[in-house]
Amino acid sequence: AQSVTQLDSQVPVFEEAPVELRCNYSSSVSVYLFWYVQYPNQGLQLLLKYLSGSTLVESINGFEAEFNKSQTSFHLRKPSVHISDTAEYFCAVSGTSYGKLTFGQGTILTVHP
Amino acid sequence: GAGVSQSPSNKVTEKGKDVELRCDPISGHTALYWYRQSLGQGLEFLIYFQGNSAPDKSGLPSDRFSAERTGGSVSTLTIQRTQQEDSAVYLCASSLEGVGTGELFFGEGSRLTVL
Repeated sequence: AQSVTQLDSQVPVFEEAPVELRCNYSSSVSVYLFWYVQYPNQGLQLLLKYLSGSTLVESINGFEAEFNKSQTSFHLRKPSVHISDTAEYFCAVSGTSYGKLTFGQGTILTVHP
Repeated sequence: GAGVSQSPSNKVTEKGKDVELRCDPISGHTALYWYRQSLGQGLEFLIYFQGNSAPDKSGLPSDRFSAERTGGSVSTLTIQRTQQEDSAVYLCASSLEGVGTGELFFGEGSRLTVL
């Protein structure tokens, strides 16, 4: 079985500041790791994923996450946030070859002007 | 269609009534999932369908919950004798072939309120 812990339920930051959203997981098997984002009044969208290969993965809008197997972490970072990044972010893990994802509780990122 | 479509978007019902929630996956997606998003519980996996294989029902919380997928496309989640703790947003997602593609496409959800 897997579990995911997102250590911060809410993260307020100012525009252009850096941000890190923390995610730790536990699993007895090899994992696939994901960050999904839910903008206000929208459905969940994939932000980035780690399946294999390079442990540093990036999204098209400047977010990145690094898979750290020894620390069982997959923290999400962005060096400079925008107002439009305000959303709820979910870390998820799967230990199977299909999409039976285990999600964290979510982190609400609020970017202030 | 262009995306995963769910209906109704909002449903208010009385305790003890049955409800049906519908999901239209993206055309050509063979895998379909149901999740539940509720306050304090995050996102919970409910059930997974892949092609003609037997579904993974391991996440269904009780025997009041059931789901079917007809013709490998549309899916219906049925909740019998609804209880107040069933109030949540029920999310449907589809994908080409599971997490191997790395992406689930989610609908906007059906918000269920049980009075």
